[in-house]
Amino acid sequence: DVKVTQSSRYLVKRTGEKVFLECVQDMDHENMFWYRQDPGLGLRLIYFSYDVKMKEKGDIPEGYSVSREKKERFSLILESASTNQTSMYLCASSPRGLSGANVLTFGAGSRLTVL
Amino acid sequence: GEDVEQSLFLSVREGDSSVINCTYTDSSSTYLYWYKQEPGAGLQLLTYIFSNMDMKQDQRLTVLLNKKDKHLSLRIADTQTGDSAIYFCAEDRGGSYIPTFGRGTSLIVHP
Repeated sequence: DVKVTQSSRYLVKRTGEKVFLECVQDMDHENMFWYRQDPGLGLRLIYFSYDVKMKEKGDIPEGYSVSREKKERFSLILESASTNQTSMYLCASSPRGLSGANVLTFGAGSRLTVL
Repeated sequence: GEDVEQSLFLSVREGDSSVINCTYTDSSSTYLYWYKQEPGAGLQLLTYIFSNMDMKQDQRLTVLLNKKDKHLSLRIADTQTGDSAIYFCAEDRGGSYIPTFGRGTSLIVHP
């Protein structure tokens, strides 16, 4: 069963801590995405990557960075966590299709609480 | 305004049909999608429709697309309690591989 695995389902961190959220996919997908999900706001794109070592800013990149050293792994980094980064974080991947539907496979999510 | 708009809540009785509506703005979208998110889980694809189609049916699900009005709907026939979830409409931005999601519609099914 193919999947996207987010290593931490629940994290509690303190303001100012550095936080790593890890995401691994086993589908050999080129594209990977990080979203945050907040009630009433839906999904907002933080960063995405279309290849190893490549990254692009999404709609809300401020306060975040990413790393993609290997094709299967896409990490989201909060350099100095703040309370307004308390949220559900969703990782997703998709294949690089030249045509056809672009279907994302999502992980189960990482719920981060910053105190 | 938002690129993809949907109402936040829908409440239906078990056995009735549910209709979730969505409007989008990008006329170059090639595909439009419906994803489902069950409590405590990530999103999973329900169905998608190619932009040159008007309708797509898959068992209890019917997707209707009105390109002129940029309106997409998802109809769930014989709604069950297991259909209670958040449903997200999405389009590919400028025909790219980067989807834009709506805010999600919480479907509540009561007996």
